[in-house]
Amino acid sequence: EAGVAQSPRYKIIEKRQSVAFWCNPISGHATLYWYQQILGQGPKLLIQFQNNGVVDDSQLPKDRFSAERLKGVDSTLKIQPAKLEDSAVYLCASTRTGPNTEAFFGQGTRLTVV
Amino acid sequence: GEDVEQSLFLSVREGDSSVINCTYTDSSSTYLYWYKQEPGAGLQLLTYIFSNMDMKQDQRLTVLLNKKDKHLSLRIADTQTGDSAIYFCAEIVSGTYKYIFGTGTRLKVLA
Repeated sequence: EAGVAQSPRYKIIEKRQSVAFWCNPISGHATLYWYQQILGQGPKLLIQFQNNGVVDDSQLPKDRFSAERLKGVDSTLKIQPAKLEDSAVYLCASTRTGPNTEAFFGQGTRLTVV
Repeated sequence: GEDVEQSLFLSVREGDSSVINCTYTDSSSTYLYWYKQEPGAGLQLLTYIFSNMDMKQDQRLTVLLNKKDKHLSLRIADTQTGDSAIYFCAEIVSGTYKYIFGTGTRLKVLA
């Protein structure tokens, strides 16, 4: 099966600009996650979708970050306006529904804010 | 709270065993996982253990779980240079299927 697709792979923007990331999960996977991984740290969950509904967005900085998952398939994560501290790798993952399902990760989008 | 802790670095010689440790906080976690991350790549699942087990062996990998102390470890036997990577433990929060990752342990294997 095809893996989780993310684009772009790399993005460099200036602070206060906007940026959007796209994720296409594995077909049939109901749960989709966006993680932020700052260099030297573990992935931090930003938002979790179940189909097109939000399950958890408690760590999403909602003043600047937004995410949507239309039709319960693809998802976009947007940052507006970006800050220097947003520089990180943004990882998308998807799983089937259930208590023990492997989370499949995309390769991530490396964002550099200058 | 939700916090998963790991030691940051581990260095071993090729052929030796590596032991990576993890402490988690959610006592109701039903599954615990070990993921591997190589440079520039996403995370790859290595193995997992169900909370009612205390040990699981999978080829060169052995996972030990101490539920009382909320301690998880990953032992890699006959460590190879290709095992050099960052290893993350993760727990899945019961009821939400939310994965919480540890801080990661960077394993360096010396030839």
